[in-house]
Parts: sequence; C-alpha cells; structure tokens
Amino acid sequence: EAQVTQNPRYLITVTGKKLTVTCSQNMNHEYMSWYRQDPGLGLRQIYYSMNVEVTDKGDVPEGYKVSRKEKRNFPLILESPSPNQTSLYFCASSLGLANYEQYFGPGTRLTVT
Amino acid sequence: GENVEQHPSTLSVQEGDSAVIKCTYSDSASNYFPWYKQELGKRPQLIIDIRSNVGEKKDQRIAVTLNKTAKHFSLHITETQPEDSAVYFCAASLYTGNQFYFGTGTSLTVIP
Repeated sequence: EAQVTQNPRYLITVTGKKLTVTCSQNMNHEYMSWYRQDPGLGLRQIYYSMNVEVTDKGDVPEGYKVSRKEKRNFPLILESPSPNQTSLYFCASSLGLANYEQYFGPGTRLTVT
Repeated sequence: GENVEQHPSTLSVQEGDSAVIKCTYSDSASNYFPWYKQELGKRPQLIIDIRSNVGEKKDQRIAVTLNKTAKHFSLHITETQPEDSAVYFCAASLYTGNQFYFGTGTSLTVIP
C-alpha cells in the first residue's frame, strides 16, 4: 500500500531532550516536507527536500533540523525542544517533477513540558 | 515570503446548499494553488488544485476558480452533503511546488 508513515504518533517529552520524528514514504517520491499545525495558524512549512541531500528552509525552520540521506526517509530532529514546539507535525511527500500533489502522513502529536 | 488569507473561518450551510471559501495571496510569483480537506483527527487530503495558467477547474461537485490579477482563488462546493463537513485549507506555492503557504482553515459544517 502506497503511504507515508511517521513515528512516533504521540510523544511527550521535556525541555531540552533531543528527539527525532521519523518519516518514510514508499512511493519513490522525490519531494518531502515537514509541517506543523497549530490551532488558528493552519499548517506552516518547516523544511522541505527536493531530493536526496537537498534540503531547504520553509517558513518556520528555527529550532529544527532535517536530513535526507535516503530517498524514502526524511527525519525531523529537535536538538533542544522547547514548549513552543508543542504541536501536531505532519510529513508529506510528492512525486516532484511538476507533480505537486502532496500525500500527508498520519501526524505526530508532540508535547514538550 | 507569501501571505495567504482565508475566509470565512467557520461556515454552516444546509444540506444541498452551496459553500464558497475564499483565499487571497500576496506574491504574484505563486503559481500552484491546492485545496486540502481535513476531517477531525485525520491528515489533510488534496481535493482539488489549480495552476496559474488556468482560470477554473471542476471535479464533480467541487470547483476552484483563480483570479491572478486580483490574487485570489475560491473553492466552490455544490449540493453539499454531511460528509463534506471538515476543515478546508487553501495553499499557495512559490517556486514551482517547493515552498507552500497555507491559509488558516475554514471549518465547514453541513446541517442535515
């Protein structure tokens, strides 16, 4: 089944404790992206990647890191999480190459205390 | 960067009526405009999209219109059904599908 998966789905952590949210797609998509969703703010893009080893900042990249070492994986890293990073995170992917339809993962609910 | 505004934030319609959601964008370089539907507790799913070289696109009960001069685009849902109840997000993309800017969402309720 073609899909985007994220792990974990729910995470409660403490300020300053490094964490990684994984994202994987099995559709051979070139493009992958991370978003955060907050009430009243819609979705905001954190980082995106056009291909392996190519990443770029979105609208709200501060406090986050990403890497794209393999085509299928695009982990989101929070080196020192803070309470203002409490949010619902979505990974998405698209075929790229002028096909922009994004498929979203199921979301990761992160709480930083 | 781009700024996308979406109105209204909530919308209630009677089943069978039409619903219209409007978005404006600020950057004339934006060239791709998708609409996503997000049901409660679910992930966003693309329902329709339009590119800047097209003025209107339809898919059954859903249509999107784009006015590049005025920098606004709208989602039209006809013959609404209870299963259309969800939050709808518009988005604008700069640089050919790389950067995406979303509106703040419209919560649509279809009253049976």
